[in-house]
Amino acid sequence: GQGVEQPDNLMSVEGTFARVNCTYSTSGFNGLSWYQQREGHAPVFLSYVVLDGLKDSGHFSTFLSRSNGYSYLLLTELQIKDSASYLCAVRLPNYNVLYFGSGTKLTVEP
Amino acid sequence: DPKIIQKPKYLVAVTGSEKILICEQYLGHNAMYWYRQSAKKPLEFMFSYSYQKLMDNQTASSRFQPQSSKKNHLDLQITALKPDDSATYFCASSQAPGQGGEGNQAPLFGEGTRLSVL
Repeated sequence: GQGVEQPDNLMSVEGTFARVNCTYSTSGFNGLSWYQQREGHAPVFLSYVVLDGLKDSGHFSTFLSRSNGYSYLLLTELQIKDSASYLCAVRLPNYNVLYFGSGTKLTVEP
Repeated sequence: DPKIIQKPKYLVAVTGSEKILICEQYLGHNAMYWYRQSAKKPLEFMFSYSYQKLMDNQTASSRFQPQSSKKNHLDLQITALKPDDSATYFCASSQAPGQGGEGNQAPLFGEGTRLSVL
């Protein structure tokens, strides 16, 4: 079966950083995407990675290790408005199908 | 302006009835999808279409039928509604795989239709 695991909750402090972890075990892998979702709203695309290593996109960076089935989303210089759920999704070999984790709710405190 | 329009935003239905959820995208994408998000559960893939043809269906029930009348439309008909069907249904779209850069294929989501079945 497919499995994408994320911690339920994460807390951090404004101005610092937060690392949202994701581990996966899936039948096939065509890349991994991260989305941000606020309560009652659509998931918003943040990043897509398919090669190992760190992809720096400024406020958001994404790391992937395919051999370990592991990814993380790193948010730096946190702002209160970064408080949201962050969803990890593995792109399966099926036609652009995404298999989502349950999401990590990040709370940024002053 | 929203580029993926879903209608209605909220929908209340009685058990056993039938509803159609509307989705239109104005991004010029060739692939469209339906996902479902129930309370306390992950987003769950339902259907994918490319150039108006069904590519993948991971919905066990035939009560869920996608309908594509135009290449930028993918509606979802749900028959014989049950309380367990209560969820937010998200439509998404992307360039078809193989077109453009890797980021262009990441599905972009509409705001969803929140369905409650009583």
